[in-house]
Amino acid sequence: DTAVSQTPKYLVTQMGNDKSIKCEQNLGHDTMYWYKQDSKKFLKIMFSYNNKELIINETVPNRFSPKSPDKAHLNLHINSLELGDSAVYFCASSQGQGGFQPQHFGDGTRLSIL
Amino acid sequence: AQTVTQSQPEMSVQEAETVTLSCTYDTSESNYYLFWYKQPPSRQMILVIRQEAYKQQNATENRFSVNFQKAAKSFSLKISDSQLGDTAMYFCAFMMGGGADGLTFGKGTHLIIQP
Repeated sequence: DTAVSQTPKYLVTQMGNDKSIKCEQNLGHDTMYWYKQDSKKFLKIMFSYNNKELIINETVPNRFSPKSPDKAHLNLHINSLELGDSAVYFCASSQGQGGFQPQHFGDGTRLSIL
Repeated sequence: AQTVTQSQPEMSVQEAETVTLSCTYDTSESNYYLFWYKQPPSRQMILVIRQEAYKQQNATENRFSVNFQKAAKSFSLKISDSQLGDTAMYFCAFMMGGGADGLTFGKGTHLIIQP
């Protein structure tokens, strides 16, 4: 029974397209996150979100937008994809913000831009 | 802004040996949390161990333990009796308390356990 699930696992698309990655958690957590892992394996926070507040990492281009239809979902929309967007994107969730509660990660979505 | 530094890009040890992965961090905060995550080739992110900054006692989880030196801002991970399944990328991570800024990760250490 997967706790944090992301779809799709792999996404190959052309430059300039718009795409979405879905994330769902069944842990009852109230905070969700998106991270980007680049080709050198470096992980960086993109967004954190709960039902009260969206915090955006200032380095994230505004082509990226998180959308949360409900507490269990945080989807990532990307417009006008660029070559540099190729990466693995991880969704995560936790109970509460910035605390000792560990974040549970999805298995990642590998995005490849042609 | 917080930074996390892992100075060992890659390490290799024999099975059953003990290995220590280093991590230092920089912050002006007093309330924070530290974590080690493991990422095997399967790409999953697996929590290995966690430490609250206000606790002086070092965390342990079976074969995994940390050496937390708050004044030195050091948080190393020791793996005892290493096993082939420990082969993975290991990431040290920092999170501020009371905020929602997410985890700040180091660049990772690729640990290889040789048979």
